[in-house]
Amino acid sequence: GESVGLHLPTLSVQEGDNSIINCAYSNSASDYFIWYKQESGKGPQFIIDIRSNMDKRQGQRVTVLLNKTVKHLSLQIAATQPGDSAVYFCAENIFAGGTSYGKLTFGQGTILTVHP
Amino acid sequence: ETGVTQTPRHLVMGMTNKKSLKCEQHLGHNAMYWYKQSAKKPLELMFVYNFKEQTENNSVPSRFSPECPNSSHLFLHLHTLQPEDSALYLCASSQDGGPSSYEQYFGPGTRLTVT
Repeated sequence: GESVGLHLPTLSVQEGDNSIINCAYSNSASDYFIWYKQESGKGPQFIIDIRSNMDKRQGQRVTVLLNKTVKHLSLQIAATQPGDSAVYFCAENIFAGGTSYGKLTFGQGTILTVHP
Repeated sequence: ETGVTQTPRHLVMGMTNKKSLKCEQHLGHNAMYWYKQSAKKPLELMFVYNFKEQTENNSVPSRFSPECPNSSHLFLHLHTLQPEDSALYLCASSQDGGPSSYEQYFGPGTRLTVT
């Protein structure tokens, strides 16, 4: 069945390094992808999204790359800071069209730890 | 602060109790969601309401009963739960149930423990 999964469950980096969090998806019909960040004791927080007609999208210190050929999604965080320590989830969606909503399928999550 | 609040933040209940979780969003959104987050499992979508109408019930057991009296409030009524129902229950909202539904704003969750 369809699934969204992560290659690495944990990632530890030093402050100032760049971080790359990976995600694999299996549903080629997915048309929208999102990265969420969840800090301890909080709900997931939207970081950045990308549509399937794009390969790359940049935000503030974050970049999402989409490789549809190999069904791979990545989140790059530049100059990682201790405040970036959290669990990062990717999610995929297939928009059903019209006024119907899109149902998000979440990956398991990667724990990012940033050491000062 | 995401504009989505949930109460209580923590709840311990016995298997014979009846309790309710409350969610309120202050964002003017029209779609609201309940998710279950268990340890070592991905977030699981439970229910979706779009303009107060339930549009999704993701095969959730009947011991979980949602209620959406208006677009700003969402409840999850609990009764005769099982220990395996212990989890973090997250509420989310989005602008509407269409393309804007991708950008969902989450509350902090209710940590539920069933004893």
